[in-house]
Amino acid sequence: DTAVSQTPKYLVTQMGNDKSIKCEQNLGHDTMYWYKQDSKKFLKIMFSYNNKELIINETVPNRFSPKSPDKAHLNLHINSLELGDSAVYFCASSQQGSETQYFGPGTRLLVL
Amino acid sequence: DQQVKQNSPSLSVQEGRISILNCDYTNSMFDYFLWYKKYPAEGPTFLISISSIKDKNEDGRFTVFLNKSAKHLSLHIVPSQPGDSAVYFCAASIGGYSTLTFGKGTMLLVSP
Repeated sequence: DTAVSQTPKYLVTQMGNDKSIKCEQNLGHDTMYWYKQDSKKFLKIMFSYNNKELIINETVPNRFSPKSPDKAHLNLHINSLELGDSAVYFCASSQQGSETQYFGPGTRLLVL
Repeated sequence: DQQVKQNSPSLSVQEGRISILNCDYTNSMFDYFLWYKKYPAEGPTFLISISSIKDKNEDGRFTVFLNKSAKHLSLHIVPSQPGDSAVYFCAASIGGYSTLTFGKGTMLLVSP
């Protein structure tokens, strides 16, 4: 049983396209996150949702739009993809009040 | 600006010996610290954590030490095993805020 799952695992696409990455957690957590790991290997927070409400939105271009249909899902839609969007995107979840976050396996996005 | 720094990109240790991974931070507001382990093509996995009210936390072969005055923490793995070979990320958070700020990671290689 995968606790935090992401689809797809790999995504290769052309510049200018629109794509979505899906995330689901079966841990019963109420907070979910998206992180980006860039070519320099830094893991940086992009968004945080608590009970389907956006609570953190770091400096991310508005081409990135998260959507949380319910507590167990947090999807990431990216419009007009750019070369610099190539990275590994990790979804994570936690229970409010706990600092420990559980990560998905990552989605490797390559924009050509 | 890097608020969490892992200055050693890699570390090589022989099986059975001690591995010491170091982490420094600059933000004095951080009050909770975590170590994550990451294998290639997988998401980070939570390993051990420590609150700023403690200076040591132990879990089996893993011990984390926190020196608040030096803004420094370290992860000790004793004895090291080949299966410990992975990238280790140090992360910090401000209580109640939940966002994790990660270091760049240290790749540990444990040779038989």
